[in-house]
Amino acid sequence: ETGVTQSPTHLIKTRGQQVTLRCSSQSGHNTVSWYQQALGQGPQFIFQYYREEENGRGNFPPRFSGLQFPNYSSELNVNALELDDSALYLCASSLGTGEAETQYFGPGTRLLVL
Amino acid sequence: GENVEQHPSTLSVQEGDSAVIKCTYSDSASNYFPWYKQELGKGPQLIIDIRSNVGEKKDQRIAVTLNKTAKHFSLHITETQPEDSAVYFCAADLGGDMRFGAGTRLTVKP
Repeated sequence: ETGVTQSPTHLIKTRGQQVTLRCSSQSGHNTVSWYQQALGQGPQFIFQYYREEENGRGNFPPRFSGLQFPNYSSELNVNALELDDSALYLCASSLGTGEAETQYFGPGTRLLVL
Repeated sequence: GENVEQHPSTLSVQEGDSAVIKCTYSDSASNYFPWYKQELGKGPQLIIDIRSNVGEKKDQRIAVTLNKTAKHFSLHITETQPEDSAVYFCAADLGGDMRFGAGTRLTVKP
């Protein structure tokens, strides 16, 4: 177990709705990264937060947004859901930034958009 | 941006045999290369990693090699066991932006 937790485990939404996914980092970790993993593919980097500021972003539209709180827990928000947003959403926590740091993943939230 | 290619996409071996998975990357600035194992319904689990200042690293039955000149790295699993069956992902990290390969489904037949 990595100590990274995510909630909820599963979620079903309809197209156009908004969703908030939550992540609790491993103790002592100040950096969180979010990934989208479509079925049968590798995780794709959405963005990273370090000390409550966005620290890098992948090729995802602005309707994907995030927050990191003072206790380093984090949220991923997705607005105007589309069918293609159906995927496993993973968060990973790490210590520090700049230099590549080992990332520890949570179990993921499986989102289904109908 | 970084592009990571992983081969093969599926690999089937007999218990006790070795398994090798290969990855190539495109950005020479990448300096950290982790390998993750993902079992059904779970998040990726780090199994071994290597940084650009090292050519090889071993941890019991698992080893990783890195050729920075050729921009490729490989995972070697020896004496495979049925519990090694899973999907394995390689990744290359530029410093916060980690790019993953498409994964290799390894099946170890008893």
